[in-house]
Amino acid sequence: NAGVTQTPKFRVLKTGQSMTLLCAQDMNHEYMYWYRQDPGMGLRLIHYSVGEGTTAKGEVPDGYNVSRLKKQNFLLGLESAAPSQTSVYFCASTLSPSLAAPYNEQFFGPGTRLTVL
Amino acid sequence: AQSVTQPDIHITVSEGASLELRCNYSYGATPYLFWYVQSPGQGLQLLLKYFSGDTLVQGIKGFEAEFKRSQSSFNLRKPSVHWSDAAEYFCAVGAEYRDDKIIFGKGTRLHILP
Repeated sequence: NAGVTQTPKFRVLKTGQSMTLLCAQDMNHEYMYWYRQDPGMGLRLIHYSVGEGTTAKGEVPDGYNVSRLKKQNFLLGLESAAPSQTSVYFCASTLSPSLAAPYNEQFFGPGTRLTVL
Repeated sequence: AQSVTQPDIHITVSEGASLELRCNYSYGATPYLFWYVQSPGQGLQLLLKYFSGDTLVQGIKGFEAEFKRSQSSFNLRKPSVHWSDAAEYFCAVGAEYRDDKIIFGKGTRLHILP
């Protein structure tokens, strides 16, 4: 099992360029998340998905779009990159909650370091 | 809305010394609490979690945490740290039943002196 993988690992963009970050998981998890991590800010949720074909906004969704066309993949898009989007991006996935387990462990990918010049 | 505070941005301890990382949460009912660890250049890994029952929970790598409702705290402890424990530690809270997401604290970076 590869767990959660993220592509690419590093990327440098110029202001105004677009790109897509790919997250893939092979654990058959229903829930997937995109976070950004900035120094002193911890992890902030950008968007998340509770199943194939569904997405929802998190704490800091502006400037990002997401798609979940396949259960195992969750894509994060930047349509017009800005220097404020320079960050480390983490994807995570987890099982659906249940009565016995209302919250499950989130499994994280290794991150994508994005620099916007 | 629930929130979680980690008062210490950096903590430095000597190898072999005991460790306590502080976490305070804000929520009226019993929260769902987590500690995650992030080694340099890596993603986060779950250390332990508390949902209900025994207020002292054991986790991986020799860590434990104690839930204290009266203090709204969920502090992480380890009796003797190793150099490999140098990392960033995140406390997280999920409050509403099946809210689909958890809220992370801003993290505490642990430095180990040889």
